[in-house]
Parts: sequence; C-alpha cells; structure tokens
Amino acid sequence: AQRVTQPEKLLSVFKGAPVELKCNYSYSGSPELFWYVQYSRQRLQLLLRHISRESIKGFTADLNKGETSFHLKKPFAQEEDSAMYYCALATDSWGKLQFGAGTQVVVTP
Amino acid sequence: ETGVTQSPTHLIKTRGQQVTLRCSSQSGHNTVSWYQQALGQGPQFIFQYYREEENGRGNFPPRFSGLQFPNYSSELNVNALELDDSALYLCASSFRTQQTDTQYFGPGTRLTVL
Repeated sequence: AQRVTQPEKLLSVFKGAPVELKCNYSYSGSPELFWYVQYSRQRLQLLLRHISRESIKGFTADLNKGETSFHLKKPFAQEEDSAMYYCALATDSWGKLQFGAGTQVVVTP
Repeated sequence: ETGVTQSPTHLIKTRGQQVTLRCSSQSGHNTVSWYQQALGQGPQFIFQYYREEENGRGNFPPRFSGLQFPNYSSELNVNALELDDSALYLCASSFRTQQTDTQYFGPGTRLTVL
C-alpha cells in the first residue's frame, strides 16, 4: 500500500541554522514526489517537485529510491520559513496526491 | 490568472443534514480534485473529475458525491452528515499534461458538524 510518513510533527530551529524535514514513502511504482507548504492564513501551495530538480526559496529535496526518502533541506533557515510543510506522493499521472501528516516548522530569531 | 476559489468559507451543519460545497477552478484548468483535511492531519483524496466525469475516488463512502460543470467548476455533496465529517475541505485544480499534473489548491471550506 502507498504511504507517506513525516516522522516529525514539530521542528523548532534557530534562524541561520540548517533545517531538514524528513519524508519517507512506500510505493510500488515509480514515485513522483512533492513538497507543499502552508504559511499562516494562506492556502496550500507547491514548494517543489522532485522531477524539476529546482531550488525554491533555498530549499532542495533529493529523491533517494534506495532509502525511499524525499527529505527537504535548507542550509540556513529564515524566520519566513515558519510554516506547515507536507510531503506528498502522486499516485498516478493525474496528480492524485497522498499526503503525509505534515511537519510544523518554527524558526526562532 | 485567477486562482482556485471555494465557497462558503465556513459552514455549520447538524448530523444527518446534507451539504454542498463549491469550487471554481483556476483559469485554464480542466481537472478538479477534492480533499478532506481533518484537524492535525494531511489532506486525504476524496475524488477527481475530468471533463465532467469522475476520474478516480479515494476511500470515501458513496454519500460523498461530486459534480463538474462545463465551465470546470465543481461541487462536493455530502449526505447524511456525521460528526467525523467535520474537516477542512480543499479543492484543487490542474491542467491535464503529458507529465504528472500539478495540483493548485483553493483556500478551503471549514465544515463543522454538530
């Protein structure tokens, strides 16, 4: 069965420190993975997807098929990175998404 | 470019009632998906519509039903409401492409069932 696991409910980091959000998945096919972010009082929005291999707002994520992981990283956290982050797996080419439970990131000055 | 909009913002219903939630897709998008997000959890896929036909369904009972209209707007209907239906309901639209379609989310409708 397909599943997305985000083991940390809350991640508290200091401004300027590195931040890593963990995401593990189980999926029998070729996975298509996304990170979505929700800032306070805003809608859920796409942060990045693994096929684009982009760095968005300083964040990167590498798909590791051997470890079935798609961890999100940023070398220097900023206060504006405080938000809820969701890892999601597309279960087909139509983009139907299976989400993890989310990780709340709090960046303190 | 107009983003995904949803109405109403909030809704309070009692157990056993029926509710209809509405969604307008982002301009140019032809596919709409609905998700349920219970408190403290990630969104769960309910169903998707493409060209007015259901195109896949998650693990939700038949009392959850939907419609997509020719202008690609959509409705989510829930009959015989239960307390556990209290959640944020998210609509997402996308445009069918050769790659995996990216979902663009609306702000959600907060449903409370008493």
